[in-house]
Amino acid sequence: DGGITQSPKYLFRKEGQNVTLSCEQNLNHDAMYWYRQDPGQGLRLIYYSQIVNDFQKGDIAEGYSVSREKKESFPLTVTSAQKNPTAFYLCASSMGQMNTEAFFGQGTRLTVV
Amino acid sequence: SQQGEEDPQALSIQEGENATMNCSYKTSINNLQWYRQNSGRGLVHLILIRSNEREKHSGRLRVTLDTSKKSSSLLITASRAADTASYFCEGLTGGGNKLTFGTGTQLKVEL
Repeated sequence: DGGITQSPKYLFRKEGQNVTLSCEQNLNHDAMYWYRQDPGQGLRLIYYSQIVNDFQKGDIAEGYSVSREKKESFPLTVTSAQKNPTAFYLCASSMGQMNTEAFFGQGTRLTVV
Repeated sequence: SQQGEEDPQALSIQEGENATMNCSYKTSINNLQWYRQNSGRGLVHLILIRSNEREKHSGRLRVTLDTSKKSSSLLITASRAADTASYFCEGLTGGGNKLTFGTGTQLKVEL
């Protein structure tokens, strides 16, 4: 089945540790995105990538890093520099052309204690 | 960054009633899309309307777009309890593929 997969679904980390969230898609999409969602809030764009080996900062990139070495994968690292990392993280992909819908993973809920 | 803004923030209706939610945005867009999010899950695409379209239908969904007012509305007719979710609008600008979302409307449909 084609789709976009995020793992793990739940993640717990101690404060000060870096953590990497996985996002994989087999839809042959060029563009991939990472969003953060806080309780009762909308989505805020962290990073996005329109093509392999290229990515751009979104609205709240500070404290995060990404890589796009393969078309299928767009991992997000939450670094210790992120002051408030506990949140729901959503990954999405799209064909990368205008007028196309985005497909979302089921999200990773990160809790930092 | 350009971001849509949904209105109302929350809406509670009885099953069978219609639900209308609105979205306003700040800059010109090439298309506008509506998504649904069930609690704690990812977003699901509902419908896309292009900037040269004024109205579009998909099943019980009706979307309108007024580019002069920079606004869109989503109407869900004959609502069901399963429609309970948050609804987001998203505008795609001509500058690329950066998707930006509003804060959403939380719809609750009661039996």
